[in-house]
Order: sequence, then C-alpha cells, then structure tokens
Amino acid sequence: AAGVIQSPRHLIKEKRETATLKCYPIPRHDTVYWYQQGPGQDPQFLISFYEKMQSDKGSIPDRFSAQQFSDYHSELNMSSLELGDSALYFCASSLDRPDTQYFGPGTRLTVL
Amino acid sequence: DQQVKQNSPSLSVQEGRISILNCDYTNSMFDYFLWYKKYPAEGPTFLISISSIKDKNEDGRFTVFLNKSAKHLSLHIVPSQPGDSAVYFCAASDQGRDDKIIFGKGTRLHILP
Repeated sequence: AAGVIQSPRHLIKEKRETATLKCYPIPRHDTVYWYQQGPGQDPQFLISFYEKMQSDKGSIPDRFSAQQFSDYHSELNMSSLELGDSALYFCASSLDRPDTQYFGPGTRLTVL
Repeated sequence: DQQVKQNSPSLSVQEGRISILNCDYTNSMFDYFLWYKKYPAEGPTFLISISSIKDKNEDGRFTVFLNKSAKHLSLHIVPSQPGDSAVYFCAASDQGRDDKIIFGKGTRLHILP
C-alpha cells in the first residue's frame, strides 16, 4: 500500500541557511501534519493543513512556514536555520480530520 | 508538563511471552488513543487505536485496553516475536479540540530469543 513520502530523507545545511522539506500524503488523504522530533525526544506537533488551509498550529517557530498545495502535497519552509533546528521532521497524513495519522519516514535535518 | 507518560523507558520480554506496555495520561479531554511502533531511521508506524467510548480493541496479536477512570491504557502483544523489538509510542488526541497528537516518550521493547 502507498505510504507517506518525504523528501529529502537527509539534509545538511549551514546556520542561517534555508531549507525546504516536502511531503506527499497517502493518495486520497486530504490532511497533512508536520512534527519535529529532537534527539531523545518525542515528536512535537508543528502545524497541520486540511483541504489546503491551515487547520491547526503548534510549537512552530516564526522562522518556519508551510503550505499545502492543490495536489495535497505539503512543503515546510525553514529559514535562518539554527543549530537547534537539527532534528527529524515527520510528515503524517489522514483521510479526514480528525482521523488516524499515518507517518512518513522522516527527513533528518542537520544544521552545522 | 508531559500529558502522556510512559514510565518504563525499556522492557525486555522472552519470545513467545506476552509484552505489556503501559501508558498514563493526565488530560481528561483526550478521546482518542493510539499506539505507534518505531524502528530506527523510520517514521512511526500506526499499530492500533482506541476511542474513549471503548475499553478494549483487538487486532491480531495486538490488544489495547483503556481504563478511563484511571487514565491508563496498555498495549498487549501476544505472542511476542523478534520483529516486535522497537520503540513503542503511546499517543493521545482531543479530537474535538485540535489536530495534534500528543506523544509519550516511548518504551523500547526488546524481545529476547
């Protein structure tokens, strides 16, 4: 069965650079969620989109922004990267909201 | 303040025996609970869920029990298999309020041969 796709899987950036993470939800899923998991931490909710509109916002820094496109894929844009942004970033999707969230493999971002 | 607590960082169980992973929560508004399994370098994989209107949900070798009065849930895996060795996250959401899932810190399960 098709799963959530995230790209890239690994990303290395320097401080103050920008990064864009992409997420392709499971086909027919219209809701996308972004989570950040720091080293040794549990995943923390960042933001979610339903039918291309932001539906909920968590602990997302102002330096980050995200959007969902007409094909339901989503992009997380991160600017002025800091060392503390180094983490695993997971995208999840669901068929509706609220509903069970299915996670992608994650993007490991390393900021040097 | 951790709203979802998994007090056992790790658990070792003999292959073929029952694995019981525990989870406590503090927010009485949580109405949907999930268990995810995670291997290193992979995303959390959904295992099983339970709505607050139920006290038990079963799917193959996995059973989740919910005790609302105690704000406690548990995941039973029987029989335990070597491939079950992973980190298990308990998670909860208040579906009437928002989208986010609140995760526990996880329990690392080791299945011993």
